[in-house]
Amino acid sequence: GAGVSQSPSNKVTEKGKDVELRCDPISGHTALYWYRQSLGQGLEFLIYFQGNSAPDKSGLPSDRFSAERTGGSVSTLTIQRTQQEDSAVYLCASSSPGGYSGNTIYFGEGSWLTVV
Amino acid sequence: KNQVEQSPQSLIILEGKNCTLQCNYTVSPFSNLRWYKQDTGRGPVSLTIMTFSENTKSNGRYTATLDADTKQSSLHITASQLSDSASYICVVSARSGGGADGLTFGKGTHLIIQP
Repeated sequence: GAGVSQSPSNKVTEKGKDVELRCDPISGHTALYWYRQSLGQGLEFLIYFQGNSAPDKSGLPSDRFSAERTGGSVSTLTIQRTQQEDSAVYLCASSSPGGYSGNTIYFGEGSWLTVV
Repeated sequence: KNQVEQSPQSLIILEGKNCTLQCNYTVSPFSNLRWYKQDTGRGPVSLTIMTFSENTKSNGRYTATLDADTKQSSLHITASQLSDSASYICVVSARSGGGADGLTFGKGTHLIIQP
């Protein structure tokens, strides 16, 4: 596709359920980022993938959060045993080769997660 | 610790007026600085990217400036339009990446244009 695609765009889930959020980056982009944005707040870094390197997981808030990137393309962010404080917009972005390069980092429209 | 501070936190101006948003950073070693526009309920969209050697860059009615000596950047919006109502986010990148790929995000300035 032409841009970063995220699905679902909206998800309402019950507390304690697991959710999976998907990100399709721009074709050929080696860098993929996940961020979380609570209502009215700034972007919070979660995890960063770069090519075949080990991902930078330093932003994941707890062991309930995990992410993987298969074949260097599509990524899935999984939240286990969701809590109400997990309610936020989850934004995915991609770039090539990375932020330091000065190339544009493109964001998806986000997945809006509401935990009830 | 790398930090990006934006001011003001929020701003309300009348349609047609100009405004300037500020970004101060302590990211080192500096690689580039980006301004993004985020409409409510949407993902951020890139406005400008500036490297160390660039002092100013324009994108339509948006003009960004960079002073690498004082570690300050500004985003000037000329002849504001209602569609400029959004959050504006400053993002600074450290050279050679690092944690979070060396990207440090400001919390944004929330701009409201009133008719």
